[in-house]
Amino acid sequence: GAVVSQHPSRVICKSGTSVKIECRSLDFQATTMFWYRQFPKQSLMLMATSNEGSKATYEQGVEKDKFLINHASLTLSTLTVTSAHPEDSSFYICSGTDSKGNTIYFGEGSWLTVV
Amino acid sequence: GENVEQHPSTLSVQEGDSAVIKCTYSDSASNYFPWYKQELGKRPQLIIDIRSNVGEKKDQRIAVTLNKTAKHFSLHITETQPEDSAVYFCAARTVADSWGKLQFGAGTQVVVTP
Repeated sequence: GAVVSQHPSRVICKSGTSVKIECRSLDFQATTMFWYRQFPKQSLMLMATSNEGSKATYEQGVEKDKFLINHASLTLSTLTVTSAHPEDSSFYICSGTDSKGNTIYFGEGSWLTVV
Repeated sequence: GENVEQHPSTLSVQEGDSAVIKCTYSDSASNYFPWYKQELGKRPQLIIDIRSNVGEKKDQRIAVTLNKTAKHFSLHITETQPEDSAVYFCAARTVADSWGKLQFGAGTQVVVTP
């Protein structure tokens, strides 16, 4: 089946620095990518939706200047957490869907720890 | 926008018994309802889904029912096994959102005791 590969799986960064998380669709063209954040013992909260070649649409309460999303190609979307703070520590996970939007494929997720 | 509520938040069952998780949604335009199983630190795994033109779907020990009028859907797991222990999430997707955005429920921690 289709696969979304997400890297890194775990990253530790210092407070104030930026970190980039990548999601690649390996055998389908991900027209749309979704980025979620999941705090421990909580649900997946949608942060933003991006269509290839367009600006991302952010959910209410998500700072677009802090969480930069780029979806420059049909196989790659990136999330950059800028000026990271300890409260940004979380599990970040992407999902992709093709132009039909019938099936949603999740990446493996990335654990971000800001120290 | 869509709002999905999920109950219970935790569910303990004896091995071999059945487990039922219920979800309600608010947007009558929602047309796709997947259920995911998530183990700690891993990606959600789709275990079953149902579309709005179907009232029930079954796959071995897992079944999902949908009541469009009442706007609720349920996951049924029969003959539970210890490996069924995980967090389960329901989700809903509205047809009005052509991008296929999912709204997730809060999750249910299922513990199956031998």
